[in-house]
Amino acid sequence: SYDLTQPPSVSVSPGQTARITCSGDALPKQYGYWYQQKPGQAPVLVIYKDTERPSGIPERFSGSSSGTTVTLTISGVQAEDEADYYCQSADNTGAYRVFGGGTKLTVL
Amino acid sequence: EVQLVQSGAEVKKPGESLKISCKGSGYSFTTYWIGWVRQVPGKGLEWMGIIYPSDSDTRYSPTFQGQVTMSADKSISTAYLQWSSLKASDSAMYYCARFDWDPVRAFDIWGQGTMVSVSS
Repeated sequence: SYDLTQPPSVSVSPGQTARITCSGDALPKQYGYWYQQKPGQAPVLVIYKDTERPSGIPERFSGSSSGTTVTLTISGVQAEDEADYYCQSADNTGAYRVFGGGTKLTVL
Repeated sequence: EVQLVQSGAEVKKPGESLKISCKGSGYSFTTYWIGWVRQVPGKGLEWMGIIYPSDSDTRYSPTFQGQVTMSADKSISTAYLQWSSLKASDSAMYYCARFDWDPVRAFDIWGQGTMVSVSS
């Protein structure tokens, strides 16, 4: 099976920059995606194809990719950004898609 | 408005069968894949698989192959996830989501989730 590795938790103060990483062997070949999930709610797509932002997602959310790691960056973190964040990608063949284990973002 | 509306919460006993549903509206149901995602309470998201309602082409994650069956009825814009014999370990929230193959290539619209509880 294919695994994506995320840190379990990240903490930042309001107004600071949060960076959440996701590592996987196939990421040089496959796109990374990011979902935000707040308690009791369904996930929401915040970044697709490594760097693209869906309409309606604030500009403070951005994505990047380098080698076997994709990164979600939230600039000027707000209290409302406190949530679980999941990366998602595919294995080298593209046939099987997986989610990372999730990262809990805490806004101090 | 584009939306996916899922069937309500279920409480079942081990060994029972179950079929939950996901109805799409506000878009062409047959031109997007529908996926299913499991989330055990307090745990992460798990990709179960996707189905193309137009021809019922289905791709299962190896973890869920043989454990569940995905189907779709395009005449009523509804996708289904079913179990023939539930286990306690199937207790979870199940989300359906629209998979936009191009250009997004990700789940862009999600249902509200269906909670399945299996207990004797």
